[in-house]
Amino acid sequence: SAVISQKPSRDICQRGTSLTIQCQVDSQVTMMFWYRQQPGQSLTLIATANQGSEATYESGFVIDKFPISRPNLTFSTLTVSNMSPEDSSIYLCSGGEQGNEQFFGPGTRLTVL
Amino acid sequence: SQQGEEDPQALSIQEGENATMNCSYKTSINNLQWYRQNSGRGLVHLILIRSNEREKHSGRLRVTLDTSKKSSSLLITASRAADTASYFCVNSGYSTLTFGKGTMLLVSP
Repeated sequence: SAVISQKPSRDICQRGTSLTIQCQVDSQVTMMFWYRQQPGQSLTLIATANQGSEATYESGFVIDKFPISRPNLTFSTLTVSNMSPEDSSIYLCSGGEQGNEQFFGPGTRLTVL
Repeated sequence: SQQGEEDPQALSIQEGENATMNCSYKTSINNLQWYRQNSGRGLVHLILIRSNEREKHSGRLRVTLDTSKKSSSLLITASRAADTASYFCVNSGYSTLTFGKGTMLLVSP
């Protein structure tokens, strides 16, 4: 199994600013993902964080808005850029091996004023 | 669509009763996973059932899989208040996991 931590756990930000969320896994994993979960909703996949290359974004999400880094097999960051109140959400990262269980971080609760 | 559809959307039962929730897909099912999410423990993996398996047990959980009907069910026996959570089925036969809307289970003492 893998244990995933995220920083920060929550933040309140002003519109127009950017926030970088860190995701750390306690062991190497092949796959890492970033999700968004808006209040009362299910999880929506933002992108697959690829180690050493550009992330793969899902429809409706773009790199300029959600730049992602993954420098190695245990760490990834997601930046929410030029934030607006519509970006208020919980952001979760996950890691694991393809086809097997994914381990999720506790989430980052973002509020944009 | 890779997204599963859980049914019912909400389920309310008393402690000690069994809870059954179902999941259906429009695409073929490879490995199917069930996850639970509650406010206290976040999103947690419950069980994975592979496409060549028909039934799997884990503690008070029993999962069935019918690949011909593209459906799965999750049974929680002797439910407890701590089982109150949202439950999601995920078809993990693809490189990414797509979550449906889930079943919200409320177990009352």
